Amino acid sequence: SQQGEEDPQALSIQEGENATMNCSYKTSINNLQWYRQNSGRGLVHLILIRSNEREKHSGRLRVTLDTSKKSSSLLITASRAADTASYFCASDEETSGSRLTFGEGTQLTVNP
Amino acid sequence: GAVVSQHPSRVICKSGTSVKIECRSLDFQATTMFWYRQFPKQSLMLMATSNEGSKATYEQGVEKDKFLINHASLTLSTLTVTSAHPEDSSFYICSAYRGAANEKLLFGSGTQLSVL
Repeated sequence: SQQGEEDPQALSIQEGENATMNCSYKTSINNLQWYRQNSGRGLVHLILIRSNEREKHSGRLRVTLDTSKKSSSLLITASRAADTASYFCASDEETSGSRLTFGEGTQLTVNP
Repeated sequence: GAVVSQHPSRVICKSGTSVKIECRSLDFQATTMFWYRQFPKQSLMLMATSNEGSKATYEQGVEKDKFLINHASLTLSTLTVTSAHPEDSSFYICSAYRGAANEKLLFGSGTQLSVL
């Protein structure tokens, strides 16, 4: 399956700043999800936004979805050093049979 | 709570040997599990979909005879890398959906395979 695209590939910020990551996908989706991965570990589900939703919040996370542009963004507010990780979007395509297509990921580094 | 348990977390083997990786769903049943491979600093690539009681569905370009998948029960899927070679060195991760809604994927902690 084709990979989605994420930008930036790497992002380095200071603690307290906000971090924004963007993701694009290629086909119609049922939902789009964001996952976090610490180095050498499995992925942890962060948030899911359905195709009929435009914005969703969870704690310090804010996700937007623009189906007309086939894009999504993840905003982490008031970042902490512990937020340092790789972040991946994953699209649940309508024709995929529940198989997720992962983006290329953004490596976020939050400097104390 | 519902967890996907994956073992071993790390394995080093000699070229030509076979390696088995186990993926278990704890506190829930998983009729479908997914196996991914991830190279350093890259994204996850789906290798195959493992279905309980039936043959796995492999993605294009993945050799089914090299990556044997067995999903004999509702809580266990195994991936065997047969006759491993250095180019098979990678991070392998399994995952499963919890519940009928098929939305949130639960991931195992991954297996780092190093083939010498």
